[in-house]
Amino acid sequence: DGGITQSPKYLFRKEGQNVTLSCEQNLNHDAMYWYRQDPGQGLRLIYYSQIVNDFQKGDIAEGYSVSREKKESFPLTVTSAQKNPTAFYLCASSIEKGLRPLANWGNEQFFGPGTRLTVL
Amino acid sequence: GESVGLHLPTLSVQEGDNSIINCAYSNSASDYFIWYKQESGKGPQFIIDIRSNMDKRQGQRVTVLLNKTVKHLSLQIAATQPGDSAVYFCAENIIGSQGNLIFGKGTKLSVKP
Repeated sequence: DGGITQSPKYLFRKEGQNVTLSCEQNLNHDAMYWYRQDPGQGLRLIYYSQIVNDFQKGDIAEGYSVSREKKESFPLTVTSAQKNPTAFYLCASSIEKGLRPLANWGNEQFFGPGTRLTVL
Repeated sequence: GESVGLHLPTLSVQEGDNSIINCAYSNSASDYFIWYKQESGKGPQFIIDIRSNMDKRQGQRVTVLLNKTVKHLSLQIAATQPGDSAVYFCAENIIGSQGNLIFGKGTKLSVKP
C-alpha cells in the first residue's frame, strides 16, 4: 500500500533531551512537510522540503531541525531549544515542487497518522 | 496571521440532517482550496478540493461551494452520519507560495444519533 508513515505514534521524553520523529513516504512525492498541531489551533508549518537535499524553514522552525537525504524520508528533530515541544506532529507530502502536473488537479497534501510527543 | 478562518468552531447536527461548515479566506490570490477531515488522534484526510475558476464541486455526499466575491468557502455534507463526526478544516493555496497550504483552525462536527 502506498502512503505516509510516522513513527512512533506516541513518544515521551524528558525535558532537555533531543528527539527525532520519523516520516517515510512511498508515494514518490517530491515535497514533504512537517506541521505542529496544538489543541484548538490550526496546523502550523515547521519545515518543508521541495526536493532532496533541500529544505526551508516554515513559520515556527525555531527549536527544530530536519534533513532530507532521501526522497522517501524527512525526519524531524525536536531539540532541547524548543520551549514548548509537547504537541501532535504531522508529516505530509505532495506530488509537486511548485509546478502542477497536468494530470493532477492541485497540490493536495497527504498526511501521515501523526506522532504525539509529550515532554515530561 | 492566518488568512483562513472559520465562522463556527463547533457544529452539532442530528443524524440524517445536512451539515454546512463554513470557512472565510482573506487572500484574493488563493487559487486552490481543500477540505480536510480529521478524526481524533489521526492525521487529516482529504475530502474534496476546488479551484478558483469553479463555484461548485460535488463528491460523494459532499459539496464544496466557493464564493470568490465574499471570499467564502463552504462544505456541505448530505445525510450526515455518525462516522462524519470529526474536525473539518479548510486549506488554501496562494499563487506563488511554492505549494504551501495555509490551514484554518477547524470546526468540530458532532453528529447526534
